[in-house]
Amino acid sequence: QQQVKQSPQSLIVQKGGISIINCAYENTAFDYFPWYQQFPGKGPALLIAIRPDVSEKKEGRFTISFNKSAKQFSLHIMDSQPGDSATYFCAARSPNFNKFYFGSGTKLNVKP
Amino acid sequence: DTEVTQTPKHLVMGMTNKKSLKCEQHMGHRAMYWYKQKAKKPPELMFVYSYEKLSINESVPSRFSPECPNSSLLNLHLHALQPEDSALYLCASSQDAGANYGYTFGSGTRLTVV
Repeated sequence: QQQVKQSPQSLIVQKGGISIINCAYENTAFDYFPWYQQFPGKGPALLIAIRPDVSEKKEGRFTISFNKSAKQFSLHIMDSQPGDSATYFCAARSPNFNKFYFGSGTKLNVKP
Repeated sequence: DTEVTQTPKHLVMGMTNKKSLKCEQHMGHRAMYWYKQKAKKPPELMFVYSYEKLSINESVPSRFSPECPNSSLLNLHLHALQPEDSALYLCASSQDAGANYGYTFGSGTRLTVV
């Protein structure tokens, strides 16, 4: 059973546009929600993260929106750049099992 | 130092070989992890070490054997692997396995089993 569902699988955005990636979860015990960015041949890098007592967090061009009642969270990339082209994974932490559950990933392609 | 260093970057091994992957971090993190990642898939947790003790083994076959010699080092010993074990093996660390911190991942070891 997939604990975190991520969509879309792939996304094409024009330079300067807004990229939006969505994730949904079922387990209300999850207590931490990071987003990772992964370039080909590299390990994932922590991009931004949010805790469930906060509805939005912004770091530069990256924003997480968190809807606790809907059990959904999303990553918004403003003014998307070709250098943002990568695969993005959302994740959610289970305090009960001390582990993260990853979404299936979204491959973002920002066209120049 | 804010990195997790993995060696080697690439490894090709035969099914009868024994090899080891090495991971090192000097951030004072007390939790270290091994993940396996297949192409176009998310990382899959294999092992968690917390304060140098194995705390989670995700039912990984015994041909994978982890070792944590000290708080900065993590090894993954490989023996009698199968071609389907070919993948990117990622090491990660975090301040504490029991708290909600993000991971710092290494760049991985690309393993090919022939």
